[in-house]
Amino acid sequence: QSALTQPPSASGSPGQSVTISCTGTSRDVGANNYVSWYQQHPGKAPKLIIYDVIKRPSGVPDRFSGSKSGNTASLTVSGLQAEDEADYYCSSYAGSDNYVFGTGTKVTVL
Amino acid sequence: QVQLVQSGAEVKKPGASVNISCKASGYTFTNHYIHWLRQAPGQGPEWMGLIKTSGGDTSYAQNFQGRVTLTRDTSTSTVYLELSSLSSEATAVYYCARTVGSHFDCWGQGTRVTVSS
Repeated sequence: QSALTQPPSASGSPGQSVTISCTGTSRDVGANNYVSWYQQHPGKAPKLIIYDVIKRPSGVPDRFSGSKSGNTASLTVSGLQAEDEADYYCSSYAGSDNYVFGTGTKVTVL
Repeated sequence: QVQLVQSGAEVKKPGASVNISCKASGYTFTNHYIHWLRQAPGQGPEWMGLIKTSGGDTSYAQNFQGRVTLTRDTSTSTVYLELSSLSSEATAVYYCARTVGSHFDCWGQGTRVTVSS
């Protein structure tokens, strides 16, 4: 099972938007609506911010949104804030009780 | 509140085995699968496997087949990861995480494992 492909980095100024892609295959991202996204600050455990492609857990700001088209999912962070500077990872269910994560994107707030 | 608490950091020699625990609290233990993920320095999480806490069935990622064993103790709501034949590549932070549906909604604090001669 190969890792999902994400761009290594993305950046934006405060208030701007940034979109991160997550490309998989027809066996994972393209096969279901079980894509989730995680935010990870240095030295901390990942935190769930989007699940089932578009849903936000309670307490996650609506500045975070998700979408999917074919084998590629995307995370958009609107109205960038300083605290959004972190690493972001996508994940997808890959069938038969298997899961796969993305390579990760470091978001920098300029 | 829902919480997963992992055991402390480990330092091991190459070829040794390591056991890490993950104690769940704040919810019904057998209602959710527990997964283990490895995060090597500077890299993203890598899914290692899961244990179905109700019946004890397991599923392992192909990369870890034969080297990883997951077990659970329902009396203490604890899941255990045993990783054998350690090499320097096993130096990483290991996380346990709970799934709700197909997403990881709660993570342990991580356990750092260092493999060094």
